[in-house]
Amino acid sequence: DADVTQTPRNRITKTGKRIMLECSQTKGHDRMYWYRQDPGLGLRLIYYSFDVKDINKGEISDGYSVSRQAQAKFSLSLESAIPNQTALYFCATSDFLGYTFGSGTRLTVV
Amino acid sequence: GQQVMQIPQYQHVQEGEDFTTYCNSSTTLSNIQWYKQRPGGHPVFLIQLVKSGEVKKQKRLTFQFGEAKKNSSLHITATQTTDVGTYFCAGGGSNYKLTFGKGTLLTVNP
Repeated sequence: DADVTQTPRNRITKTGKRIMLECSQTKGHDRMYWYRQDPGLGLRLIYYSFDVKDINKGEISDGYSVSRQAQAKFSLSLESAIPNQTALYFCATSDFLGYTFGSGTRLTVV
Repeated sequence: GQQVMQIPQYQHVQEGEDFTTYCNSSTTLSNIQWYKQRPGGHPVFLIQLVKSGEVKKQKRLTFQFGEAKKNSSLHITATQTTDVGTYFCAGGGSNYKLTFGKGTLLTVNP
């Protein structure tokens, strides 16, 4: 099994719908992150959590929310999806040795 | 806030040629990490540099961290088709949160 698992792998949703992307990890790390990747823009941080009781906004948190249900689980929600949220979303965990990324969720909002 | 600039954005080489990507930060970094993302894949951790002036090698890859801890480079000697992908640098601050550069996409002509 992968160290960081993201579900779903691909999703097409309609404008205005609520959608949740899920992430679970078996690394035992406290730190978890959600990034968004768009062509030419690199990886941009949406939210991060340094432990279960700690949630922080990243550089592009507007339109997104997160929930840290347990050390191993960190979910990202789009309350009302819009087309410019179409992107590749990555969850990651980290310790002092570097980040481990999930395989990503490709989200399309139509 | 902290910004990390990476150049070039794209680089196309003939197999066997060398390749270098450069990373510059607007602030002094506590560490710098490098990641590789294969086409259709997710970023994978390559290495972390922590010390001023540090140089590390992984086979044909050489990583350097500047004396002022504000810049870094990745050099690949004699590229191979397996080197194709996007290389990201990521600058670390004091709180384990990374700021990613926008990446350099390397393509290799066999």
